[in-house]
Amino acid sequence: QKEVEQDPGPLSVPEGAIVSLNCTYSNSAFQYFMWYRQYSRKGPELLMYTYSSGNKEDGRFTAQVDKSSKYISLFIRDSQPSDSATYLCAMAKGGSEKLVFGKGTKLTVNP
Amino acid sequence: KAGVTQTPRYLIKTRGQQVTLSCSPISGHRSVSWYQQTPGQGLQFLFEYFSETQRNKGNFPGRFSGRQFSNSRSEMNVSTLELGDSALYLCASSFGAGLGETQYFGPGTRLLVL
Repeated sequence: QKEVEQDPGPLSVPEGAIVSLNCTYSNSAFQYFMWYRQYSRKGPELLMYTYSSGNKEDGRFTAQVDKSSKYISLFIRDSQPSDSATYLCAMAKGGSEKLVFGKGTKLTVNP
Repeated sequence: KAGVTQTPRYLIKTRGQQVTLSCSPISGHRSVSWYQQTPGQGLQFLFEYFSETQRNKGNFPGRFSGRQFSNSRSEMNVSTLELGDSALYLCASSFGAGLGETQYFGPGTRLLVL
């Protein structure tokens, strides 16, 4: 079993839809959780950063962490065509530990 | 402020050759991390350097090596290239080390091994 599992999609939604992206993980030692967005032919950019459990909101984006279920989510409200990208979850145990990434979910928002 | 730059952007090599990739971090950033991205394995951590010292290393064979210079620029080298080394190699920089620091990624070097 891989440490981090993420459905690769692709996921296609109409503009304005609420998008839900998810990752599951197996290592209960993970404490730091991140979501990155990667546009085609670009490097990933950090969207959300969460420590331990709970919710974090930033504009149209909400990140949720449920450590009891080993499950993290990213919600995008009022999705826009400019949100079309690959979304990667990433997590780490702490301190100077390396990041472990999911394989990414490719999202297309259709106008 | 200029972003992370990586050179070259594209590279074609043959099996058995070696390759050196370069990364220039954002001015003032002292930490540089390298990642390999493939469709099959996703994004995998290679190594991290901070102030010229390797702080962390991923699960890659010894053919993959790196270094960081006093100006924080970093290079990674892959020797005896294999077909499976074809990938997008990404460099990310941050001001400090550790997970509290936001990493900024470069556009990557796409390596094709024939």
